[in-house]
Amino acid sequence: GENVEQHPSTLSVQEGDSAVIKCTYSDSASNYFPWYKQELGKRPQLIIDIRSNVGEKKDQRIAVTLNKTAKHFSLHITETQPEDSAVYFCAASESGDSSASKIIFGSGTRLSIRP
Amino acid sequence: DADVTQTPRNRITKTGKRIMLECSQTKGHDRMYWYRQDPGLGLQLIYYSFDVKDINKGEISDGYSVSRQAQAKFSLSLESAIPNQTALYFCATSEGDEQYFGPGTRLTVT
Repeated sequence: GENVEQHPSTLSVQEGDSAVIKCTYSDSASNYFPWYKQELGKRPQLIIDIRSNVGEKKDQRIAVTLNKTAKHFSLHITETQPEDSAVYFCAASESGDSSASKIIFGSGTRLSIRP
Repeated sequence: DADVTQTPRNRITKTGKRIMLECSQTKGHDRMYWYRQDPGLGLQLIYYSFDVKDINKGEISDGYSVSRQAQAKFSLSLESAIPNQTALYFCATSEGDEQYFGPGTRLTVT
């Protein structure tokens, strides 16, 4: 089955700097890669996702890149702000219009933004 | 997101007791999931259901069972709770690819 590894487990950056979180996956059939953000005491929520037919996707200060050959994908947060402090989870699944699939999460990265 | 609710929100129980965690949703989604969250281990899939008649084991199903009573309800049971089942449990639903999580149930087994 699918296995998703995420690094680093903790990350501390100065406010305004960039943060990068990396994930690898094992199943070449996986084609959907979401990122979830979990603020302290809250539930995880989807912040961005990417499908295997594209290499990069941006949404304001966050971007995700995918390298299918190497089976790794990354989350990039630029101009970090205090509200970016949270735990971030990457995930992988095989998704299709007619096929249902389960999603496997990475172990999470606790991002702290220093003022 | 009030569309996915979990009860109870917190529970302390003793080793060997049976306990049920309940999840309800008003989103009308067919797919429902139970996850366990431990520090440093992320979200681990326990069981998932793609419709009322479909139940599937996830990564860590041992010691757990589930019941899909209706499209809107998916319950997780611990038949005989043990201390290493102390964790934060999340229910989630999906229709497409995005998962919508409930608020979580914090379970402590003493």
